[in-house]
Order: sequence, then structure tokens, then C-alpha cells
Amino acid sequence: DAGVIQSPRHEVTEMGQEVTLRCKLISGHNSLFWYRQTMMRGLELLIYFNNNVPIDDSGMPEDRFSAKMPNASFSTLKIQPSEPRDSAVYFCASTLQGLNTEAFFGQGTRLTVV
Amino acid sequence: AQSVTQLGSHVSVSEGALVLLRCNYSSSVPPYLFWYVQYPNQGLQLLLKYTTGATLVKGINGFEAEFKKSETSFHLTKPSAHMSDAAEYFCAVRRNTPLVFGKGTRLSVIA
Repeated sequence: DAGVIQSPRHEVTEMGQEVTLRCKLISGHNSLFWYRQTMMRGLELLIYFNNNVPIDDSGMPEDRFSAKMPNASFSTLKIQPSEPRDSAVYFCASTLQGLNTEAFFGQGTRLTVV
Repeated sequence: AQSVTQLGSHVSVSEGALVLLRCNYSSSVPPYLFWYVQYPNQGLQLLLKYTTGATLVKGINGFEAEFKKSETSFHLTKPSAHMSDAAEYFCAVRRNTPLVFGKGTRLSVIA
């Protein structure tokens, strides 16, 4: 298995533009997590899904952020409009639901908003 | 609620010396505990985990950790540091929730 795949690896965009980050889960996994990593806040959980259903989005910072799972193996995180303070590394991770196992992380997307 | 505290945001050791990275947790239920490592510009990789059973857990790259319920700790150790161990290390807790991470400890290894 190729593991969790994120794209793009790097994204530089201008303030006000829409940004879409993509994530492909490991085959067979049914829980998906989006994390954001910054120097100031460390790793923050933004949102997670079980079986394509959003369970907890309380970590999503603002209405500018939205996430979807259009199917069991794919997710997007969208920021519209983007702001410089959104600059961070965004990770997605997948796991098997309900087994309290470890999560497998993608390589991350480094977002820079100028 | 669950939480993790990692003592020391930066630890520096000499090559060949003992590595000790500290992690204390808070959980209202028996926790599952994890250590992850992150190399520069990479994602997080699992080092080891504790779920049930033996409290001394061995992981990859010669690391191990011991779950001590009485101390609510899960410290990470390695007998002899290598230069390749230089990275950021994260302790995490989970029990019927998503992983909750500590702030991380950056390990530097000095030749």
C-alpha cells in the first residue's frame, strides 16, 4: 500500500485565493483526520470523519474552512478565502474506526499564504 | 478529556548517550499511548504504541517506552543516541477519540 497520499506537497497562494488540499486514505481505512501543524500551536485536530460522516469539526478555525469526503477513500480541505495566518503544514491521517489503533499520516501539505 | 504534556521542547544529547524524552498524560479512562517521530519535511511515523499487556514497549530504531500508571507517564528512551535520531518526537494519547498530541520535543544529537 502506498500509504496516505496528500497533494500538493507545497502550495503558495495569495491572500484571498481559494486553496484546496487533497488526501487519499489507505485502502480499508474508514476514519480520516485533518491536522494543522504550526510552531505556535503544534498539532491541532481540525476535523475528523468516520465512514465519510463528519463527527467533530470543532477544531475548524473559521467558516472559511470546510472539509468533505465525497467517497470512502478521498477527502478535501478547502480554505476560502485564504489568509496569511492560515500558513501551516496540513496533515491528513487515516485509521480503522473503533479499534484505537495508530493513525497513519501523509507527508503533509506546506501552505504559504502571502 | 485527554491530554499529553511533554517536558522539554528541546533536548540535546551527545552521540552514544542515553536518550530520555518525557511524556505525562491525563485520561479519565485507561489510555492507549503512542510515540511518533517526525523528520524534517516529513509526516509523522509511528515509533511504538501501548494498548494493553506488557508495560514495557519496544519500537523501531532501538527505542522503547514504559507505561507507568502510578506516575501517568510514558517516557521514551534509547540507550545510545545516533546522529540519525535527530528529529521531533511527539507523544499522543487516544481512547475512543482521535489522537491528542503533545507539543513535541526536538531531539538534537551532538557528534
